Amino acid sequence: GAGVSQSPSNKVTEKGKDVELRCDPISGHTALYWYRQSLGQGLEFLIYFQGNSAPDKSGLPSDRFSAERTGGSVSTLTIQRTQQEDSAVYLCASSLQPGLEETQYFGPGTRLLVL
Amino acid sequence: AQSVSQHNHHVILSEAASLELGCNYSYGGTVNLFWYVQYPGQHLQLLLKYFSGDPLVKGIKGFEAEFIKSKFSFNLRKPSVQWSDTAEYFCAVNARSNYQLIWGAGTKLIIKP
Repeated sequence: GAGVSQSPSNKVTEKGKDVELRCDPISGHTALYWYRQSLGQGLEFLIYFQGNSAPDKSGLPSDRFSAERTGGSVSTLTIQRTQQEDSAVYLCASSLQPGLEETQYFGPGTRLLVL
Repeated sequence: AQSVSQHNHHVILSEAASLELGCNYSYGGTVNLFWYVQYPGQHLQLLLKYFSGDPLVKGIKGFEAEFIKSKFSFNLRKPSVQWSDTAEYFCAVNARSNYQLIWGAGTKLIIKP
C-alpha cells in the first residue's frame, strides 16, 4: 500500500485479556518500529525490526509484551494479560533501510483501552 | 541519557500570528532532527528534517526550522499561521549512530480563526 497501515484502529478489552495489534509497513521498507504514545506524552520506543536481524526489544516495558515480524513484512505486537496502564495509542513506523539519514513513516495507530 | 524538551505544551494563537515552537535536546554528538505533526484525527506526518548541511531547513506548508548546534536547539517557525495549522507538533532526535528516535512530549497548537 501507499502508507503504513495498522489494525484495528480501536480496541477495547478487559483487564487480563490478551490483545494483538497488527502493522503492515510500506512495501519495500526493511525497518519496522513499534512505539507507544500515552496521553500527554511523547512516543516511547518499544521494539525495532531490521530485515532478518534479531529485533531490538530493549524498549518493551515488561515480558507481557512481545512482537514478531513474519517474512520481513507484517508485524504483530501482542500484549498478554492486559493491564489498565497499557491503555495508549500504539504506533507502528517503517523506514526504507536504516542508515545515517533515515526517515520513519508512521501508521495511524491503534488506540487501546483496557477496562 | 538523551532527552528532548519541548518548552510549551499548549500554544494558542490567532490567525496570521507568527509561530515559534522550541525544541532542545541533550546529546553531544552528531544528530538527526525531525519535526512531526499530527492533525486532529490523522496520523503523524513528517513536517521537516535535518541531517546535515544548511542549518535552516524548510518543510511543508510554510514551516521552517533552524538547527543551532551551540544551543542544542531545533526550533520550528512559521511567519503567519492559519487555522488549519491547529495540530500537535512533536520534535524528535536521534544520534546518527543510533536508529532510536527520542521524542519530545509534544506541543498542542490551537489557532483561533
